[in-house]
Amino acid sequence: GAGVSQTPSNKVTEKGKYVELRCDPISGHTALYWYRQSLGQGPEFLIYFQGTGAADDSGLPNDRFFAVRPEGSVSTLKIQRTERGDSAVYLCASSSNRVGSYNEQFFGPGTRLTVL
Amino acid sequence: DAKTTQPTSMDCAEGRAANLPCNHSTISGNEYVYWYRQIHSQGPQYIIHGLKNNETNEMASLIITEDRKSSTLILPHATLRDTAVYYCIASYSTLTFGKGTMLLVSP
Repeated sequence: GAGVSQTPSNKVTEKGKYVELRCDPISGHTALYWYRQSLGQGPEFLIYFQGTGAADDSGLPNDRFFAVRPEGSVSTLKIQRTERGDSAVYLCASSSNRVGSYNEQFFGPGTRLTVL
Repeated sequence: DAKTTQPTSMDCAEGRAANLPCNHSTISGNEYVYWYRQIHSQGPQYIIHGLKNNETNEMASLIITEDRKSSTLILPHATLRDTAVYYCIASYSTLTFGKGTMLLVSP
């Protein structure tokens, strides 16, 4: 079946601009996660959705970052007033919510964001 | 999440077993040990996880010491496609990735 997809695969923007990154999780997965990965580092947790609600947004670095998942499926990560330090690969993952077993996270290929 | 310590890089000959160590000396009782790997330019991929007992699946084996302060991921017959960064994570819920171990499998 289809895996997690992310669009666009690459995004180049200018400092100060607004960007939206989209994640399509695996069908039926209720949990969705956003991470960002800088060069040479492991993925850094940003936010976790269970259904439509953000269950944990403790990883969002500041209020320029916001994410939504209005219908409990597709999610959009929104970054306002982008800064050069926001340049990274933004990864999305989804998992099912089976009770009594570990629900592994399935990752998408990421969106590479470059802020000039 | 408990902090984990892994070697920066390791080499392995194709066909041999790759043994990747991880130290998690501050792990708490309800934290699991997870292993994910990331092949270049792809998202991370789940490998295996465990709490106390050793675990084995079609990809790898996980050996956890009795005191749970360290673990070893074993790829029994490494192939060139196993070249990747391997992340060891000690967590109860969300995943906290460190820098991992870059495993290079050579012919």
